[in-house]
Amino acid sequence: QKEVEQDPGPLSVPEGAIVSLNCTYSNSAFQYFMWYRQYSRKGPELLMYTYSSGNKEDGRFTAQVDKSSKYISLFIRDSQPSDSATYLCAASDSGAGSYQLTFGKGTKLSVIP
Amino acid sequence: ETGVTQTPRHLVMGMTNKKSLKCEQHLGHNAMYWYKQSAKKPLELMFVYNFKEQTENNSVPSRFSPECPNSSHLFLHLHTLQPEDSALYLCASSQGYSLMNEQYFGPGTRLTVT
Repeated sequence: QKEVEQDPGPLSVPEGAIVSLNCTYSNSAFQYFMWYRQYSRKGPELLMYTYSSGNKEDGRFTAQVDKSSKYISLFIRDSQPSDSATYLCAASDSGAGSYQLTFGKGTKLSVIP
Repeated sequence: ETGVTQTPRHLVMGMTNKKSLKCEQHLGHNAMYWYKQSAKKPLELMFVYNFKEQTENNSVPSRFSPECPNSSHLFLHLHTLQPEDSALYLCASSQGYSLMNEQYFGPGTRLTVT
């Protein structure tokens, strides 16, 4: 089964809060994990990319992968109103030369000033 | 124009109509993709073209017909659609077809089938 589960929210937080966005997956073969951000009326844009387990930090954003529990997270520190968007997690195993991404449904985040 | 553009941005069509969606990328990429984004469902990959050759077709119904005349342009021809085909259709492109190549998405075409 190649599903990625993600709580659609919506999630509403005050400005400055730490945001935690999470996904779980069932396919043990997934090795590559991504977070995309999608603003209203726009296409998704890649935020973070990680391979296998571990953490990756980029400014206020931290992506975390725990393959033992099949859990992926995105943390946003000091959240800003401009972070209000839908966040999509995605995963892939790149098996058999296919680089298809399996996406979660997306979590809609609102950061209130 | 820069990035990935899609036209039209909105389309309403009847079930007996024939229409086409257009995507153009100005990034010099070699791979192009069509995705379907329905409300409350995950983003679904429909087709992939790599160097104008179709490399992925995810069991998409034949009422959707892609065309890639060159690496910069991608079309999705639509005919005899069903109401459940109403969705946001997103085009994307990347330098090559691999996980190391970031996909850049267009703004999408919002399709409503009546």
